[in-house]
Amino acid sequence: EAQVTQNPRYLITVTGKKLTVTCSQNMNHEYMSWYRQDPGLGLRQIYYSMNVEVTDKGDVPEGYKVSRKEKRNFPLILESPSPNQTSLYFCASSQGPGTPLHFGNGTRLTVT
Amino acid sequence: SQKIEQNSEALNIQEGKTATLTCNYTNYSPAYLQWYRQDPGRGPVFLLLIRENEKEKRKERLKVTFDTTLKQSLFHITASQPADSATYLCALPESGANNLFFGTGTRLTVIP
Repeated sequence: EAQVTQNPRYLITVTGKKLTVTCSQNMNHEYMSWYRQDPGLGLRQIYYSMNVEVTDKGDVPEGYKVSRKEKRNFPLILESPSPNQTSLYFCASSQGPGTPLHFGNGTRLTVT
Repeated sequence: SQKIEQNSEALNIQEGKTATLTCNYTNYSPAYLQWYRQDPGRGPVFLLLIRENEKEKRKERLKVTFDTTLKQSLFHITASQPADSATYLCALPESGANNLFFGTGTRLTVIP
C-alpha cells in the first residue's frame, strides 16, 4: 500500500531535549516536505526536499533541521525543542511540484 | 507572499443539498490550485487539482472551478452526505518556488 509513515504519532517532551520525528514513503517520490498545523494558522511549511541531499527552507524553518540522505526518508530534527513548537506535524511527499501531496497521519508533539 | 482566504471557518448544510466552498487568493495567479479533505486527527487527502487554463474540473460528486480574473476557486459537493463532513483545504504554489500554501480550511458539516 502506497503510504507516508510518520513516527511517533504522539510525543511529549521537555524543553531542550533533542528529538527526531521520522518520515518514510514507499512511492519513490522525489519531493518530500514537513508541515506544522496550528489552530487558526493552518498548515505551514517547515522544510522541503526536491531530492536526495537537496533541502530548502519553507515558511517557518526556525528551530528545525532536516536531512535527506535516502530518497524514502526525511526526518525532522528539533535540536532544542521549545514550547512554541508544540503542534501537529505532517510529513508529505509527491512526484514533484504540481502533483498531489500524500500526507502521513501526523505527529502530535507537546513540549513542556 | 500569497494570501489565501477560505470563505468561512464553518459551513452547515442539509443532506442532499449542494455545498459550495470558496477559496480566494490575493496576489499573483497560480499555475494550479489543489483541494484537500482533512478529517480530525488525520493528514489531508488530495481531492482535485485544477490548472490555470482549466475553467472547471469534476470528479464524481465534486466540482472545482478556477476564475483567475476573480482570483477565486469554488469547490462544490453535490448531493451532500453526512460522510462528506470534514475540513476542506485549498492550496496553491508560491510563485517561482516549490512551497505550497494552504488556506486555513472550511469545516463542513452535513446534517442528516
